[in-house]
Amino acid sequence: VQLVESGGGLVKPGGSLRLSCATSGFTFSNAWMSWVRQAPGKGLEWVGRIKSKTDGGTTDYAAPVKGRFTISRDDSKNTQSLQMNSLKTEDTAMYYCATDSKYGNKGYSYTLFDYWGQGALVTVSS
Amino acid sequence: DIQMTQSPSSLSASVGDRVTITCRASQSIYNYLNWYQQKPGKAPKFLIYAASSLQTGVPSRFSGSGSGTDFTLTISSLQPEDFATYYCQQTYSTPGTFGQGTKVEIK
Repeated sequence: VQLVESGGGLVKPGGSLRLSCATSGFTFSNAWMSWVRQAPGKGLEWVGRIKSKTDGGTTDYAAPVKGRFTISRDDSKNTQSLQMNSLKTEDTAMYYCATDSKYGNKGYSYTLFDYWGQGALVTVSS
Repeated sequence: DIQMTQSPSSLSASVGDRVTITCRASQSIYNYLNWYQQKPGKAPKFLIYAASSLQTGVPSRFSGSGSGTDFTLTISSLQPEDFATYYCQQTYSTPGTFGQGTKVEIK
């Protein structure tokens, strides 16, 4: 399994940036995918997810990015994207793409992030 | 959102020590609790799910326990490669919130 993010860089406040996550080694069309970010020297923060098309293809977002960020997927290219608009300085972070998987245990289903990319650094600064 | 609080924020330990990290949820999350390990400059690595189930390939010196609101990650005999930051994450409800992390440093 490989996940490779691209598209990071420096952008001014109020600007836009699009990250991509190219995947291989698993059946992407069946996978739910998430984005997780980490501000410099800080902890992990879930950004959002996109479900597989068979599960509706819907998206969920964390409150700080809702209405500004949009996650999409292209199953023909095994790729997911994160479109970030109206960027703020507090969006500065390493952005990780991760597989949002479900593991079964004793009849229950558990969500976890089992594979991660290497990250793409987004810096929002004037 | 469910708040996750880890303690301690950092600890110093020696190779061979037994290390315990605590994670507390602001409400019951049953056993919907994951643990991740992150080394400097690297992506997180998934270790444990369902509070106590080890991911395939994770050494048996790692163990997890707990349910409801209180959870622990234990490393029975700390190895050089275990020096890292550890995060808990609840997935009982969206958003799947993380603890602030516990940095395990060399004494």
